[in-house]
Amino acid sequence: AQTVTQSQPEMSVQEAETVTLSCTYDTSESDYYLFWYKQPPSRQMILVIRQEAYKQQNATENRFSVNFQKAAKSFSLKISDSQLGDAAMYFCAYRLRLGGGADGLTFGKGTHLIIQP
Amino acid sequence: GAVVSQHPSRVICKSGTSVKIECRSLDFQATTMFWYRQFPKQSLMLMATSNEGSKATYEQGVEKDKFLINHASLTLSTLTVTSAHPEDSSFYICSAREGSDTEAFFGQGTRLTVV
Repeated sequence: AQTVTQSQPEMSVQEAETVTLSCTYDTSESDYYLFWYKQPPSRQMILVIRQEAYKQQNATENRFSVNFQKAAKSFSLKISDSQLGDAAMYFCAYRLRLGGGADGLTFGKGTHLIIQP
Repeated sequence: GAVVSQHPSRVICKSGTSVKIECRSLDFQATTMFWYRQFPKQSLMLMATSNEGSKATYEQGVEKDKFLINHASLTLSTLTVTSAHPEDSSFYICSAREGSDTEAFFGQGTRLTVV
């Protein structure tokens, strides 16, 4: 079974600085997706960024980018120019690309990101 | 992105009663819906996956007779917690997806408190 590990329960960064959140995963599959989700206090899950495992190029979305190392099974999220609105829980997640129905998301335990003004 | 509406956002029920949570896709047809559970300060755990018109597939350790899932149409799935007990108190979140290779969108979640 696949597992997702986030080793940083909490991270703190100064506003406008850059922060990197770590995520490792374990799977025997080769075709899958990786995600970073943001969960603010409202608890609405918001997709931050998505990476297809078959793509070598790292995904980017404005201030958010990932460092995807498939061989190392590592998928870190870099947030540049941190803003107060970035404060939230961040979850790394995995799912099979075509799981035939067995492709719900497996989440890590989350990292609580604090933005210091 | 697409909108998934979950209702109610909060519900309090008495121990031993049943409560139904609805998850609707408002602007797309959800062939697959997922139900997750999140305990305070913890991660989301997948409970079950449902495909429209089929029986739900439950994750190991989830009691299918206690958590009844119905996905009778392409826009609606329901989760019924039967004979609820205080330990069932949690945050339940649904997500819905149109195809097998597309993004799933999340509902707002339901905070269930069993007293």
